[in-house]
Amino acid sequence: QLQLQESGPGLVKPSETLSLTCTVSGGSISSSSYYWGWIRQPPGKGLEWIGSIYYSGSTYYNPSLKSRVTISVDTSKNQFSLKLSSVTAADTAVYYCARHFKYVGLLRFCDPWGQGTLVTVSS
Amino acid sequence: QSALTQPASVSGSPGQSITISCTGTSSDVGGYNYVSWYQQHPGKAPKLMIYDVSNRPSGVSNRFSGSKSGNTASLTISGLQAEDEADYYCSSYTSSSSLVFGGGTKLTVL
Repeated sequence: QLQLQESGPGLVKPSETLSLTCTVSGGSISSSSYYWGWIRQPPGKGLEWIGSIYYSGSTYYNPSLKSRVTISVDTSKNQFSLKLSSVTAADTAVYYCARHFKYVGLLRFCDPWGQGTLVTVSS
Repeated sequence: QSALTQPASVSGSPGQSITISCTGTSSDVGGYNYVSWYQQHPGKAPKLMIYDVSNRPSGVSNRFSGSKSGNTASLTISGLQAEDEADYYCSSYTSSSSLVFGGGTKLTVL
């Protein structure tokens, strides 16, 4: 059974870079059938897709976050990572990682999801 | 990209059926058959309930069904049960090679 687990600091200072890692277990991140991505949810608000990556390193990003986001993959560790630069209080959210099913290069749906990790942006 | 439009809340009594709508544009919902629906209970991660407009993953009750007409997708839950009370989100692939979510709908079982 595939499982995903987010890890990283729970507190980040304004203007700094948020860094999270997602560790995949129970399956290979190098599968040709999936992308791997990040979604966030501010407290009490809805879901926002951040971006996703293929095992080869090909990426898709949310146009509204693209200038601040970098997603990378480490196939040797079966992990992928998120970096979000120049954070503000508006970036405070629960950050989820998830497997993205695809058809050719089109993203279809997310399943399963990690349990999520709360990142607070505050000095 | 703009979020897909969902009603903020819906409600129904046990045993009844409810429908949640998800409205987008021809660049997302209307342009692709890659609409999915997620259920989220408080403090929990979202769970996939419907994918590719109308397909149910293994293990999801057949009380949940999905459909699409033009730029609007719908999730119908029949035979409402207390455990269905949760937030529901739709999502669609977009012409910008991205995913977009709806704002979420809070389902209350009366």
